[in-house]
Amino acid sequence: DADVTQTPRNRITKTGKRIMLECSQTKGHDRMYWYRQDPGLGLRLIYYSFDVKDINKGEISDGYSVSRQAQAKFSLSLESAIPNQTALYFCATSDPIAGIQETQYFGPGTRLLVL
Amino acid sequence: GDSVTQMEGPVTLSEEAFLTINCTYTATGYPSLFWYVQYPGEGLQLLLKATKADDKGSNKGFEATYRKETTSFHLEKGSVQVSDSAVYFCALRTSNTNAGKSTFGDGTTLTVKP
Repeated sequence: DADVTQTPRNRITKTGKRIMLECSQTKGHDRMYWYRQDPGLGLRLIYYSFDVKDINKGEISDGYSVSRQAQAKFSLSLESAIPNQTALYFCATSDPIAGIQETQYFGPGTRLLVL
Repeated sequence: GDSVTQMEGPVTLSEEAFLTINCTYTATGYPSLFWYVQYPGEGLQLLLKATKADDKGSNKGFEATYRKETTSFHLEKGSVQVSDSAVYFCALRTSNTNAGKSTFGDGTTLTVKP
């Protein structure tokens, strides 16, 4: 079984709709992240969480919110989806024990299309 | 702030050709450097890493050497295969871990033709 899972894998929604992307991990890591990937723009960080009580904005958090329900679960919400939020979304985890060598472990991604 | 610059793609090679993907960085601290690979339809996964100057990371025939004097971490492979077709991301992480995040390049798409 995959260590980092994301649901759904694909989603089509309409402008103005609220949607939630979910991420679960079995790696036991405290740190979790949400990124979006757009062609030619690489990965951009939306939100990250050091533990259940710690949530931080990334570089492009506007229009998004998150919830860290448990160590293993980190959800990303689009309160009112707009077409320029069409992208590939990745969840990732990492273990701070590794310090500066900290590797990130990514889920398979959710492809979102906002019409 | 920290940044990573990768050579622009896409890169198309024939099987058994030599591969180089350039990566340079700027960092406010002393970074660790990483290469991640994204195969079609999958998430990113760590390919290799290096944590100090002159270290060489290697995996699956790929290598990259941490060059502090040129702030570079170029990815190389002597003989590519069709199965190496993927998007490659260079990344760094510094000791400024109050941000708790890595900085990624824009990715370089590699296509290997038989």
